[in-house]
Amino acid sequence: DVKVTQSSRYLVKRTGEKVFLECVQDMDHENMFWYRQDPGLGLRLIYFSYDVKMKEKGDIPEGYSVSREKKERFSLILESASTNQTSMYLCASSLTPGARGAGELFFGEGSRLTVL
Amino acid sequence: QKEVEQDPGPLSVPEGAIVSLNCTYSNSAFQYFMWYRQYSRKGPELLMYTYSSGNKEDGRFTAQVDKSSKYISLFIRDSQPSDSATYLCAPGGNYGQNFVFGPGTRLSVLP
Repeated sequence: DVKVTQSSRYLVKRTGEKVFLECVQDMDHENMFWYRQDPGLGLRLIYFSYDVKMKEKGDIPEGYSVSREKKERFSLILESASTNQTSMYLCASSLTPGARGAGELFFGEGSRLTVL
Repeated sequence: QKEVEQDPGPLSVPEGAIVSLNCTYSNSAFQYFMWYRQYSRKGPELLMYTYSSGNKEDGRFTAQVDKSSKYISLFIRDSQPSDSATYLCAPGGNYGQNFVFGPGTRLSVLP
């Protein structure tokens, strides 16, 4: 089974702190994604990556950065956390669509971040 | 108009009922249509996907896509309490890369 592991399930940080959210997948997927999920808004894409050291902005990249130094690991960084970044953060991975499938996403269990 | 819309619910039904969950979208370029199920305090997991218009059945679940009206449906037959979850529709782009998620419909199946 595909496993996407997020390092922290619950975090509490203070405004202005730097926050790292780590994600590791074990199925050699090319693509990795970071979403945030808020009530009534659904999942919104923050950043994604198609390959090592490559990154693309999603719909809401402001206030976030990412790092992908190894294929299996994708990190989300909040340089200076703010209260409006309190949310559930979900990491996902996928194969590139084609003969192997439609590019369905495999999600981690989420990291609930509270910024005070 | 939001790109993908769903009735947020909550939708409560008795065990054994037929459930209809619906989703509308605005981008006619979408060709892949996914349904994800998310249990409380868990990440979403893929339930079904279809390509282009038509129906797809998998056990108690049927996914239906009508591209002409940009309408997606998920039917659950003989619903069970274990089906209680939030259901997210996610249409995607030409190569299945650019998925856009709806806000989800919360379903409760009462024993």
